[in-house]
Amino acid sequence: DQQVKQNSPSLSVQEGRISILNCDYTNSMFDYFLWYKKYPAEGPTFLISISSIKDKNEDGRFTVFLNKSAKHLSLHIVPSQPGDSAVYFCAASVGTSYGKLTFGQGTILTVHP
Amino acid sequence: ETGVTQSPTHLIKTRGQQVTLRCSSQSGHNTVSWYQQALGQGPQFIFQYYREEENGRGNFPPRFSGLQFPNYSSELNVNALELDDSALYLCASSFGQGLGETQYFGPGTRLLVL
Repeated sequence: DQQVKQNSPSLSVQEGRISILNCDYTNSMFDYFLWYKKYPAEGPTFLISISSIKDKNEDGRFTVFLNKSAKHLSLHIVPSQPGDSAVYFCAASVGTSYGKLTFGQGTILTVHP
Repeated sequence: ETGVTQSPTHLIKTRGQQVTLRCSSQSGHNTVSWYQQALGQGPQFIFQYYREEENGRGNFPPRFSGLQFPNYSSELNVNALELDDSALYLCASSFGQGLGETQYFGPGTRLLVL
């Protein structure tokens, strides 16, 4: 039972363009969502998060959008840089279960110079 | 300030054996969560320890067990290893029960079960 899904295994983007990574979830109890970035041989690194009371959160080049009715979130990276090439995971948690995250399968982002 | 460290980095075991993986949490953190990441999948929550007590468990059998020590370092023990236990095991530390963004992950231990 995959409660958090990232349906695109990979995404290739040109440097300077926008990268859009998508994530869908099925559990309506999820109320906190996060994006992590992972480089090879390293642990995931927190990128940005959003609470279910918001529909958008920005941090520099990174913006996360949440559509609760569609149970969908997306991460926009503008402009994309070669250093952004990594595996991106979306994750979700329920209320007081902070720290007990349910992850998607990940999307490999490649940004070409 | 040291980050989260895990040992060993790689490990090969045979089916039926037992394994212990170790995690040193970041300085000042009192919560450790363990995750299993199978190849091509996202991390799956195994369990969390807060102040030496188990504080939530994912959908893993009892042969997955853990400990947290007074210095808040932690161990993950897996008994009766199965081939499907081959995975990257990640630990993450945080202060308190932690919002997601305050979790800091270690580099992981890659376990291969033959």
